Amino acid sequence: EADIYQTPRYLVIGTGKKITLECSQTMGHDKMYWYQQDPGMELHLIHYSYGVNSTEKGDLSSESTVSRIRTEHFPLTLESARPSHTSQYLCASREKGINSPLHFGNGTRLTVT
Amino acid sequence: RKEVEQDPGPFNVPEGATVAFNCTYSNSASQSFFWYRQDCRKEPKLLMSVYSSGNEDGRFTAQLNRASQYISLLIRDSKLSDSATYLCVVNPDPYNQGGKLIFGQGTELSVKP
Repeated sequence: EADIYQTPRYLVIGTGKKITLECSQTMGHDKMYWYQQDPGMELHLIHYSYGVNSTEKGDLSSESTVSRIRTEHFPLTLESARPSHTSQYLCASREKGINSPLHFGNGTRLTVT
Repeated sequence: RKEVEQDPGPFNVPEGATVAFNCTYSNSASQSFFWYRQDCRKEPKLLMSVYSSGNEDGRFTAQLNRASQYISLLIRDSKLSDSATYLCVVNPDPYNQGGKLIFGQGTELSVKP
């Protein structure tokens, strides 16, 4: 079983608040990812990183930002939450190698009121 | 055309049935392929990687057809617990440093008593 952790598991917050979703992995994986998924819908890649000090935007435009100061930590920040940010946010990591699969955290379910 | 497309669901089958899902990919350079399972409101979990020669894991068989650019997942003797959404995942460009994996939209399976 992969060791990748997300906190908080659930978050209900008011519009305009700044929030940071935490993601940590203990496997030493270089590559980390953030996905956004609405109920019953596809996963959308919003950010990824292939190592320390590298971050890239994904395929879905997002108002969030990420940082990768340490290998094991890949937090996602929303400076000013809006109701449109209500969704599930999934963090994942994988090791180097063509055939290495993604390992997911158990997600953060965000509700912005 | 989407980079990865799956059979549209849902598939509703009785217990004990055999069911097969297909997934096509557009990039002929794709090198690695995976099937994930996602339960309602949970994170995706790796079901199996797909190897060139095909592979089997208990009741599950995965096949790769490079000439036609599709992968398949066969589930034999369906159980109620197999009910979930099955996601096809493709690594479209193994030389891409970020290693973005592409997800299909998912095929929902519902196994009935």
